[in-house]
Amino acid sequence: NAGVTQTPKFRVLKTGQSMTLLCAQDMNHEYMYWYRQDPGMGLRLIHYSVGEGTTAKGEVPDGYNVSRLKKQNFLLGLESAAPSQTSVYFCASSYSAFPIGSEQFFGPGTRLTVL
Amino acid sequence: RKEVEQDPGPFNVPEGATVAFNCTYSNSASQSFFWYRQDCRKEPKLLMSVYSSGNEDGRFTAQLNRASQYISLLIRDSKLSDSATYLCVVKEGGNTPLVFGKGTRLSVIA
Repeated sequence: NAGVTQTPKFRVLKTGQSMTLLCAQDMNHEYMYWYRQDPGMGLRLIHYSVGEGTTAKGEVPDGYNVSRLKKQNFLLGLESAAPSQTSVYFCASSYSAFPIGSEQFFGPGTRLTVL
Repeated sequence: RKEVEQDPGPFNVPEGATVAFNCTYSNSASQSFFWYRQDCRKEPKLLMSVYSSGNEDGRFTAQLNRASQYISLLIRDSKLSDSATYLCVVKEGGNTPLVFGKGTRLSVIA
């Protein structure tokens, strides 16, 4: 089991460029999440999905879009990157969002720099 | 906004020491509680779930006080390898995401 994987691991963008971050999980989890982590800010939820074909906004959704076309994949898109989106992005998945099975498993992260 | 508050530290302790972290949460409807560990430049990993009766896993003991909305993590006989940031995590009932604290940094010194 690979668990949760993220592609790419590192990326440098120029302001205004677009990119897609890919998250994949092989645990047959229903729920998937995208977070960003900045120094002193902790983990902040961007978007999440409660199942294939569904998405929902988290705490900081502006400037990002997501898609969950397949259960095992969750894509995070930046249409027009801004320096404020320089961050470490973590994907996570969980079996459920209810008290039982709600613990999340994280991918290794993507370090994104926007110049 | 629902909050999970932690002392950011850093806690600098010698090897073999006992150290305790505290966490408070604002939403009395919270139903699940966890401690995660995050090493520098790595992803968070589940350390342990926290049960109402309290629970222990080797050198680690977690306690929950629902009346005071307070969670604690006790680490006994600290090892150098315990150096990390410890994240307090809370979940409300129903179909809601986890809420993460900002973490408490621990450095265990030889």
